[in-house]
Formats: sequence, structure tokens, C-alpha cells
Amino acid sequence: QKEVEQDPGPLSVPEGAIVSLNCTYSNSAFQYFMWYRQYSRKGPELLMYTYSSGNKEDGRFTAQVDKSSKYISLFIRDSQPSDSATYLCAMSPFGNEKLTFGTGTRLTIIP
Amino acid sequence: NAGVTQTPKFQVLKTGQSMTLQCAQDMNHNSMYWYRQDPGMGLRLIYYSASEGTTDKGEVPNGYNVSRLNKREFSLRLESAAPSQTSVYFCASSALAEQFFGPGTRLTVL
Repeated sequence: QKEVEQDPGPLSVPEGAIVSLNCTYSNSAFQYFMWYRQYSRKGPELLMYTYSSGNKEDGRFTAQVDKSSKYISLFIRDSQPSDSATYLCAMSPFGNEKLTFGTGTRLTIIP
Repeated sequence: NAGVTQTPKFQVLKTGQSMTLQCAQDMNHNSMYWYRQDPGMGLRLIYYSASEGTTDKGEVPNGYNVSRLNKREFSLRLESAAPSQTSVYFCASSALAEQFFGPGTRLTVL
């Protein structure tokens, strides 16, 4: 079993919909949780970063962490075609080095 | 301010050939990383360097060597390429929590 599980999709939703992306993990030592966005043929870029449990909001994006269930989510409100990308979750015990990544979910927003 | 740069962008090798992937960052970061990305496997860490002069193995180090030439540069070498090393290679650097990635090198080994 992988340490981090992420549904690879693909996921297609109409423009304006709310998107929910999720990861589960097995290592209870993980305390730092990140979401990266990767456009086609580009390198990943950090989208959201949270520490421990709780919610964090940034514009149309909300990241949630439930450590008791070992489950993290990324919500995208009012989705736009420009949100079409692969979204990777990543996590680590210490915040910086040796991130463990999920396999990524490929998202397409249909105009 | 270029961020993280990687060369080359594309490369085709024959089995048994060697090559070095170059990476440089201009953000004065201490930590640098090499990942490979394969379909269905996500990003897997090959090697990382916490500071100039130190390197450590990641999840998939076999068949690779690295050199942290100075604070800016971190190279990845394939001594004898194999078809299983066909992948997209990303270099990254970080100072705190955020890792900044380069544009990647697409490597095909025939």
C-alpha cells in the first residue's frame, strides 16, 4: 500500500462547478500538507500549504486536513477553464525535505 | 530572476550511454532535489541535497549519481542509461516549506 493515495481521475466538470479533490494517507507522522498544481508539460507549482488539521482558504481555493481520518481535500469554487491541470497532494513530517507525493488527479473544466 | 533552470529540455539516449542533467537555482536556497515523474507513479524523489557538500538518497536512487557543485547547482548523472529510466526529470529547490520546480527534462532511452 502506498503512503499517499490519490484518485488519478480524469475528472471533468462544467465551468462554475465546485470541485473536490482528495488524498488519503497512512503515515500518522505527516504534519505538513500541500497541494501543487501542474499544467501540461510544466513543473509543479505550490498552490496551498497547511500545517496539522483544519481549513485554509485562499481566494477560490480551500484546503482541509482531517488528521483523525488521515484525509485531506482541496475545494475549488467557481471553477474556471484555467483551473484545468493535474493537482498533486504532498505531505511530510517536517515541512520541507523529502515530500511524499500522491500520483495526481487530472482535472478538466469544460467551458 | 530565472528561478530553477534545467538543461537540456529533451534528450534521447541509446541504452548504455551516459549523460548529465544540469540544474541551477538563483534563489539562494540551501536544499535541492531531483525527482522523476512517470504516469501513474507521481513524483518520486531520486536524490536530495540539504546543503552544499551534502547529498542523500531518496526513494529511487539506483542507476543515478548526483553532484552538488556549489550552492546554485545540482547535477544528476546517468552512467549507463536503461529504458526503465525513460521519464520526465524535475529539479527543485527550497528554503522553507515551498519547493520550487524547474520546467523538467524529458528523457527517452531506446
